[in-house]
Amino acid sequence: DGGITQSPKYLFRKEGQNVTLSCEQNLNHDAMYWYRQDPGQGLRLIYYSQIVNDFQKGDIAEGYSVSREKKESFPLTVTSAQKNPTAFYLCASSIDLRGYLRNQPQHFGDGTRLSIL
Amino acid sequence: ILNVEQSPQSLHVQEGDSTNFTCSFPSSNFYALHWYRWETAKSPEALFVMTLNGDEKKKGRISATLNTKEGYSYLYIKGSQPEDSATYLCAFIMDSSYKLIFGSGTRLLVRP
Repeated sequence: DGGITQSPKYLFRKEGQNVTLSCEQNLNHDAMYWYRQDPGQGLRLIYYSQIVNDFQKGDIAEGYSVSREKKESFPLTVTSAQKNPTAFYLCASSIDLRGYLRNQPQHFGDGTRLSIL
Repeated sequence: ILNVEQSPQSLHVQEGDSTNFTCSFPSSNFYALHWYRWETAKSPEALFVMTLNGDEKKKGRISATLNTKEGYSYLYIKGSQPEDSATYLCAFIMDSSYKLIFGSGTRLLVRP
C-alpha cells in the first residue's frame, strides 16, 4: 500500500546532540512537509519542499535542517541549536504544493516522538 | 497572526448520540478548509477538503458544512460510535498561500 513511513517512533536526544528523523513516501508526491505538535497546540510547519533539491522554511524552522535529495525522502535533523526539541513530529506529503486546487488533502505518517535525556 | 479556533476542546458523548463541533477561521482571503480525523497511535486521515461557500460534504455518518463569509465550518457525527473516538482537526488555507494553518483539535470520546 502507498503511504508515508516515519522512523523511529520514539527517539531520545542527549544534550548537544543532533538527531535525524526519517520520512519516506511511496505516493509519488512532489510536496513534503514537516510539522511539530506540542500539547494543546495545532500542528506547526517547520519546513516544506515542493520538489527535489528545493525546500523552504516554515513558521518555526530555527534549530532544524532538512534535505530533499530524492523525491521519496525528506529527513529532518533536529540540531543542538533547537533548545526545546521535546515534541511530536509529523511528516506529510501532497501531490504538489497547491494540491488543494484539485481538492487534494495532505497525507501523514504516524509520527516520531522526540524526548530529551 | 492567523488563528484557527476549534471548539469544544474535548467532548464526551454516549454511543448513539449525535454531536457536532466548530472550526472558526479568518473570513477574508479564504481558499480552502480541510478536516482530518486523528486516532490515537495512528496517522491523521483526511475527511474532507472544502472550497466553496455553502459546501456540504458527507462521508458515512460524518458530514461537514462551510460558511466562508462568516468564517466557520461545522462537523457533524450522527449516531456516534466508539470507533469515532479521535481528535478532529481542521486546517485553513488562505488565498495565494500554500500553508495549512491548523486548529488545536476537538478530542471526541464516545462511551459504549
